[in-house]
Parts: sequence; structure tokens; C-alpha cells
Amino acid sequence: GQQLNQSPQSMFIQEGEDVSMNCTSSSIFNTWLWYKQDPGEGPVLLIALYKAGELTSNGRLTAQFGITRKDSFLNISASIPSDVGIYFCAGQPVGGSEKLVFGKGTKLTVNP
Amino acid sequence: NAGVTQTPKFRVLKTGQSMTLLCAQDMNHEYMYWYRQDPGMGLRLIHYSVGEGTTAKGEVPDGYNVSRLKKQNFLLGLESAAPSQTSVYFCASRDYRGTGELFFGEGSRLTVL
Repeated sequence: GQQLNQSPQSMFIQEGEDVSMNCTSSSIFNTWLWYKQDPGEGPVLLIALYKAGELTSNGRLTAQFGITRKDSFLNISASIPSDVGIYFCAGQPVGGSEKLVFGKGTKLTVNP
Repeated sequence: NAGVTQTPKFRVLKTGQSMTLLCAQDMNHEYMYWYRQDPGMGLRLIHYSVGEGTTAKGEVPDGYNVSRLKKQNFLLGLESAAPSQTSVYFCASRDYRGTGELFFGEGSRLTVL
């Protein structure tokens, strides 16, 4: 089946640092979504991308839909302790609109 | 706003016991999903439904059954629980139109001894 390769698997950073994570695939996707999961909670949508090349920001978060439609990245600027959690990328495959494909997640730890 | 509600939130079972997880959504979504989350494995799709009375297998369906008798409810059943089914289970729903955004419940932590 289709897979998303998400990296890095985990990150340990100091408060105030910038963070970058990405997802790649050998398949083309129509939509890229970035979710955050706080400890003990379900994932919540951060940013949705619908068009190749699209760059979208949500506060300190910026995400881009790769021009080849096979990748996406998420940047977090000036990290704060509440950024701790697991970040998931998800893609909606071409022709497969019922299911999303999820990456395995990036676990972020922010040291105050 | 309830959104997606899962019950129970925690459960401990013995090997061979059966149980049902209930998911309820109040957003009138057509699509509903059951995922399991294990350390380092991300979210893996167990079963999903695109409408009342329909279900389909995901990537890890073995050992689970589902039913969608009402549009707002999606039940996940374990007929004979195994320790390998120890996991955190998430239900999600979405509108069939457009954006692809999934709305998740808070999760149900299941331990099988």
C-alpha cells in the first residue's frame, strides 16, 4: 500500500529553537494535512494544503505542499513548551478519497 | 460541542474476552474510521465506513469487527481479545465532501492481559 516516510522520528530541542519536519512518498497526493497530538489526546488538524506549491501559515507554523505532490514539510518557529507532542503528516491519495495515509509521526520534546 | 465521543476511555480485558468500543459523532459525517496507535507505528486503519450500513477493511482488520447501524455511531468489536490488541484506539469522522479533514475522538486505551 501507499506509505508516507516522515522524518525525523523524534526531536529534542531547546525552547526558542526552530523545528522542521517532512514527509515524502513515492505516490502523488491531492491533499496534505498536518496534525498534532497532545499527550493523552486525539490528533487535531493544524494545517491543510490543497494545491501543489501551496505555502500556508498558522501562527508560528508554516507548511508547504511540494511541487511534485510527493512531499510536504512543516516548520515551527520559536518553539515553546506547549509545542510538545506528536506531529503527523497525512495525505489523501489521488483516486482514493475515502482514506488518508498517515506518516508514523515526529515526537517533539521542548526543553524549557 | 461534543464532536467525536468514544466509550469507554479505558478498559482492561483478559485474553479471550470480548468487548465493544463505541464511537458517536454529532457532526452528521458520512465517513467514520477506527485506528489503532502503537508506539513507533503511527496510526493504522482497522476498518472504516462510508455510510450507514456499509463497512470496509483497512490495513489491520484481523481480529476486529465493526458495525454502522446508525449514521452517528460506529462500533468496533473484539470477539476474542489477544495481548497483541493492547493499544490505544481512535475513532475519527469526516464529511464526504472536499477537505479530507478528520475529526478524532480522545482515544480508548485497551489493555489485554
